Amino acid sequence: EDQVTQSPEALRLQEGESSSLNCSYTVSGLRGLFWYRQDPGKGPEFLFTLYSAGEEKEKERLKATLTKKESFLHITAPKPEDSATYLCARYDRGSTLGRLYFGRGTQLTVWP
Amino acid sequence: NAGVTQTPKFRVLKTGQSMTLLCAQDMNHEYMYWYRQDPGMGLRLIHYSVGEGTTAKGEVPDGYNVSRLKKQNFLLGLESAAPSQTSVYFCASSPGTGRGMNTEAFFGQGTRLTVV
Repeated sequence: EDQVTQSPEALRLQEGESSSLNCSYTVSGLRGLFWYRQDPGKGPEFLFTLYSAGEEKEKERLKATLTKKESFLHITAPKPEDSATYLCARYDRGSTLGRLYFGRGTQLTVWP
Repeated sequence: NAGVTQTPKFRVLKTGQSMTLLCAQDMNHEYMYWYRQDPGMGLRLIHYSVGEGTTAKGEVPDGYNVSRLKKQNFLLGLESAAPSQTSVYFCASSPGTGRGMNTEAFFGQGTRLTVV
């Protein structure tokens, strides 16, 4: 069973059409929830870390939020350059230090 | 401004051959990781290290060995490559873990390995 589940697997948006990506996790005792962006042929690039339910962080057109069960990555008025795979990862109190568990990602395509 | 550097970027191996992937970071990070990424499977942790001279197993360690003799380097070895090890391998490093610390991991550009 996946410890981190992302949905949808793929999302196509028209430029300017806002939407949200979901990341849900099955294990309690979250110590941190991470969002990364990955472009084709490249390594993941860090976006946000969230630690507590209710926490929010923003960067340009992206806003990440966290509840006790899930995290959302909201994309406002996306542009084609926002096209990428967005990865969610977590580690929790029960895990060995340093272990990040990743979801399978949401592939976002923004067309003009 | 190098960050995390992986070598080589591409490699083709024959079944049974051995090789070593090198990861180097210049950020003085304590933690280093090796992941593999396969279509539809996401990133899976192979091995990781919480400091020089220490290593630990991740989710999918079988068929791989690692060493961290110097803080800045983390080596991933395949002793006898198998087609199932065809994948893209990513190395990452982070300062440490725990709330209040700068915990995000920085990734290299990846090594695309094909085993035929």
